[in-house]
Amino acid sequence: DVKVTQSSRYLVKRTGEKVFLECVQDMDHENMFWYRQDPGLGLRLIYFSYDVKMKEKGDIPEGYSVSREKKERFSLILESASTNQTSMYLCASSLFPSGSWQFFGPGTRLTVL
Amino acid sequence: KQEVTQIPAALSVPEGENLVLNCSFTDSAIYNLQWFRQDPGKGLTSLLLIQSSQREQTSGRLNASLDKSSGRSTLYIAASQPGDSATYLCAVRGGATNKLIFGTGTLLAVQP
Repeated sequence: DVKVTQSSRYLVKRTGEKVFLECVQDMDHENMFWYRQDPGLGLRLIYFSYDVKMKEKGDIPEGYSVSREKKERFSLILESASTNQTSMYLCASSLFPSGSWQFFGPGTRLTVL
Repeated sequence: KQEVTQIPAALSVPEGENLVLNCSFTDSAIYNLQWFRQDPGKGLTSLLLIQSSQREQTSGRLNASLDKSSGRSTLYIAASQPGDSATYLCAVRGGATNKLIFGTGTLLAVQP
């Protein structure tokens, strides 16, 4: 059974803190994605990675960075969290660089106070 | 810029009813379209993927159609059940961006 796991389901941080969101997949997929999901805005792509140490900006990369040191792990980093980064964060992986047939993790609900 | 719209935003139906969810997109130059299901507070589960050359795909009680020229897709759910209650999202993989662009979803409630 394929699996994408995210390190936390719920996270509460303070403004200015550095935040790490971890995502691990066990499907040997080369392609991994980070999205945020907000009411009325749908899912928006933050960053994606198509190989170890490779990354590309999505539609809303500002305020975020990513790290992919190992194939199975893709980390999203908020260098200095702000209240407008309060959101649901979803990680996904795919066999295809286009993102077709993505498998999603359960999500991390991040609240920045 | 590709935009994906889903109407209605929410739908409530009695159990057993057949229903249709709608998805429209502004740029017809897509490679494929996917339908996802999202349960409250959880990630997304892929339901169906239709390639641009296809007109429909079926999986159990679900049937998705695609009309590329008019920029529309529908997800038909037959004999709805309370367990079908979830948010349904469509996403297109298109043209220049080659990334998935998601709609905002339709929240479906099937009343027992």
